[in-house]
Amino acid sequence: AQSVTQLDSQVPVFEEAPVELRCNYSSSVSVYLFWYVQYPNQGLQLLLKYLSGSTLVKGINGFEAEFNKSQTSFHLRKPSVHISDTAEYFCAVSAPGGGNTPLVFGKGTRLSVIA
Amino acid sequence: EPEVTQTPSHQVTQMGQEVILRCVPISNHLYFYWYRQILGQKVEFLVSFYNNEISEKSEIFDDQFSVERPDGSNFTLKIRSTKLEDSAMYFCASSSNQGETQYFGPGTRLLVL
Repeated sequence: AQSVTQLDSQVPVFEEAPVELRCNYSSSVSVYLFWYVQYPNQGLQLLLKYLSGSTLVKGINGFEAEFNKSQTSFHLRKPSVHISDTAEYFCAVSAPGGGNTPLVFGKGTRLSVIA
Repeated sequence: EPEVTQTPSHQVTQMGQEVILRCVPISNHLYFYWYRQILGQKVEFLVSFYNNEISEKSEIFDDQFSVERPDGSNFTLKIRSTKLEDSAMYFCASSSNQGETQYFGPGTRLLVL
């Protein structure tokens, strides 16, 4: 079984500052890793994903994440945040093997960008 | 860009009533899922569905819940007799035949009074 830990429940950051949202996972098998974003009163939007290959993945809106197998981490970063990045960010894992595999989510990190 | 849609966006119901939440997955997708998010909590898996049958379900998905693909486009979640603790945002998701990436709908916010 997999589990996901998002160490920070809330992250306030000033506009144009860099941000890192931390995600660690636990799994006995290899995993796929995802970051989803939830804007206020909206659904979950895929930001980026790691399936295989390069450990640095780039997503939408200038976000990127790095898969670190030895540290079982998949931290999300953005070099300069905007007010519009204010949202809840969820890290999720699933086991490879095609469809039907449930996503296991972390508790989420609320990013608040301050003007 | 194709997307998952869900109706209704909000539903208020009385405890003990039946509700049906509807989803239209992305048209060429083969795997379908329901998740829920109780206010302030993490998103939790309920059930996955493939080839007209349940593939996997969580402990949450008890006998009060059922899923159905009544036609070629809709995917529904039925709660037979709602309880107060069923109040949550319910998300539908779908993935392609590769299955590795799930795309979520905007959710249905269910409030049980």
